[in-house]
Amino acid sequence: GAGVSQSPSNKVTEKGKDVELRCDPISGHTALYWYRQSLGQGLEFLIYFQGNSAPDKSGLPSDRFSAERTGGSVSTLTIQRTQQEDSAVYLCASSLATGASTFGSGTRLTVV
Amino acid sequence: GENVEQHPSTLSVQEGDSAVIKCTYSDSASNYFPWYKQELGKRPQLIIDIRSNVGEKKDQRIAVTLNKTAKHFSLHITETQPEDSAVYFCVYMDSNYQLIWGAGTKLIIKP
Repeated sequence: GAGVSQSPSNKVTEKGKDVELRCDPISGHTALYWYRQSLGQGLEFLIYFQGNSAPDKSGLPSDRFSAERTGGSVSTLTIQRTQQEDSAVYLCASSLATGASTFGSGTRLTVV
Repeated sequence: GENVEQHPSTLSVQEGDSAVIKCTYSDSASNYFPWYKQELGKRPQLIIDIRSNVGEKKDQRIAVTLNKTAKHFSLHITETQPEDSAVYFCVYMDSNYQLIWGAGTKLIIKP
């Protein structure tokens, strides 16, 4: 597709369950980012993938969060044993190595 | 780690007046500085960017200036309109080609 695709667009889950969020970046974009955004807040950096380099995981808030990027394309963000404070919009963005990012429309996660 | 400071956090201006948002970064190797606009409930969108080989770039009512010596860059919006109301983020690319985000400025245009 022409843009960054994220799925699902909305996810409601029970506290303690695991969730997987998917990001399909723009074809050819080597960089991929995951961010988290709570209502009215700025972007909280989670993880950064750049080509075949080791990802920068410094933004992951706890060991319940992990992300993979398979084949340099699709990425999955996994949250284990979800907590209510995990509720937020999770945004994925991709870019060429030296360019601006294009964002997906996000996944709104609600933990009840 | 590298970071960027963005000011002010909230800016309220009268419709038709100008708005200026300022950012300061720390990585002297930075050479790419995009600005994003995020309207309520929507994803951030790139509005303008500048590379370090120029000091100023303009696109209609929006301009960005860069002072590499002082490590400052700014967004200027002239003749503000209601549709300019949004959160604006300054960003820079660090020496690892990673984009580093400011905390955002909420711009309110008063009618």
